[in-house]
Amino acid sequence: SQTIHQWPATLVQPVGSPLSLECTVEGTSNPNLYWYRQAAGRGLQLLFYSVGIGQISSEVPQNLSASRPQDRQFILSSKKLLLSDSGFYLCAWMGSMGYTFGSGTRLTVV
Amino acid sequence: GEDVEQSLFLSVREGDSSVINCTYTDSSSTYLYWYKQEPGAGLQLLTYIFSNMDMKQDQRLTVLLNKKDKHLSLRIADTQTGDSAIYFCAEDGAGSYQLTFGKGTKLSVIP
Repeated sequence: SQTIHQWPATLVQPVGSPLSLECTVEGTSNPNLYWYRQAAGRGLQLLFYSVGIGQISSEVPQNLSASRPQDRQFILSSKKLLLSDSGFYLCAWMGSMGYTFGSGTRLTVV
Repeated sequence: GEDVEQSLFLSVREGDSSVINCTYTDSSSTYLYWYKQEPGAGLQLLTYIFSNMDMKQDQRLTVLLNKKDKHLSLRIADTQTGDSAIYFCAEDGAGSYQLTFGKGTKLSVIP
């Protein structure tokens, strides 16, 4: 069966520090992968998606970047965090029946 | 572009039925989904309906789809305190690489 792992679960980082969030999928190959952010307003904002290794599409210009170094690995990064980067970050992959989400990372930038 | 709208809040008494409504604009959707998000957790797929169906029932959950009006609803029978969560409606759009989500409806169940 397919599973998705996302870590860390919580993170507190100072302004200006770097960020790396990792997401891995098991039990499937060549998945479409997604990074979403959920801010206090609760809506889901699509940040990046990837249809294959090295293929990244950005939906919203921002302080973040994404990479897909391996087929089932999707990484969200920042060189210098801003206060506005705080939020709940969710990784997802698209299967035959919609998305399966990771458990999320709560990022607080202080 | 595509849009999905939901009311933001719903409050019901334990044991009553809850009805969460959603409207969408993309008439080419193949599947429509309901996701549940409990506090501090990721989203979990609750149920889905194929666009050529009018209704789908799964235990306490009933999904109704009015494709003509582009209206989707989720009914939860005998609502329990464990049903308190945010419920997201989503649609895929034919051939789309992504789902379009509503902003979520926060369901509060009063004991």
